[in-house]
Amino acid sequence: AQTVTQSQPEMSVQEAETVTLSCTYDTSESDYYLFWYKQPPSRQMILVIRQEAYKQQNATENRFSVNFQKAAKSFSLKISDSQLGDAAMYFCAYRKYAGNMLTFGGGTRLMVKP
Amino acid sequence: DGGITQSPKYLFRKEGQNVTLSCEQNLNHDAMYWYRQDPGQGLRLIYYSQIVNDFQKGDIAEGYSVSREKKESFPLTVTSAQKNPTAFYLCASTGTETNRQYFGPGTRLTVT
Repeated sequence: AQTVTQSQPEMSVQEAETVTLSCTYDTSESDYYLFWYKQPPSRQMILVIRQEAYKQQNATENRFSVNFQKAAKSFSLKISDSQLGDAAMYFCAYRKYAGNMLTFGGGTRLMVKP
Repeated sequence: DGGITQSPKYLFRKEGQNVTLSCEQNLNHDAMYWYRQDPGQGLRLIYYSQIVNDFQKGDIAEGYSVSREKKESFPLTVTSAQKNPTAFYLCASTGTETNRQYFGPGTRLTVT
């Protein structure tokens, strides 16, 4: 079974600074998808970024980028120029290539200091 | 305005009562999912359905039941057999862009 681990329960960053959230996963599959979701206080789950395992290039979405290390089974999220609105829970998630179900990590609470 | 709706936002029940949580989507998605979230934790899959009239158990299906009579609806019943029903419940769906799940706003269920 796949597992996803987020080893940082809480992180804090100064506004305008950069922060990196860690995620590791365990799988025997060679093709899969990885995701980062944001859950603000409203509790709505918002897709931040996704990565296909067969792509070597790291995904980027504006201020959000990932560092995908397939051999190490590591998938970290970097948030640049942090904003107050980035404060939220962040969840890393895994999905098999041929399948729909997501396996989530336990989450990291990000606090942004003004 | 397309999306997933879950109602109500907050739900209160007495212990021993069954309660049904609503999930409706107008995205024309085939697959739908129910997740449970406990405080400070990630999401765990309860049930999922890939097509009308078919559904499968997820990781924590005990004490829950679902139906999928219509493509747009996937209600979840929390039965009295569920030992710790108080939680936040999220519904999601997936369409042709199958590498992305869309989430509803969630229902907070409190059982006393």
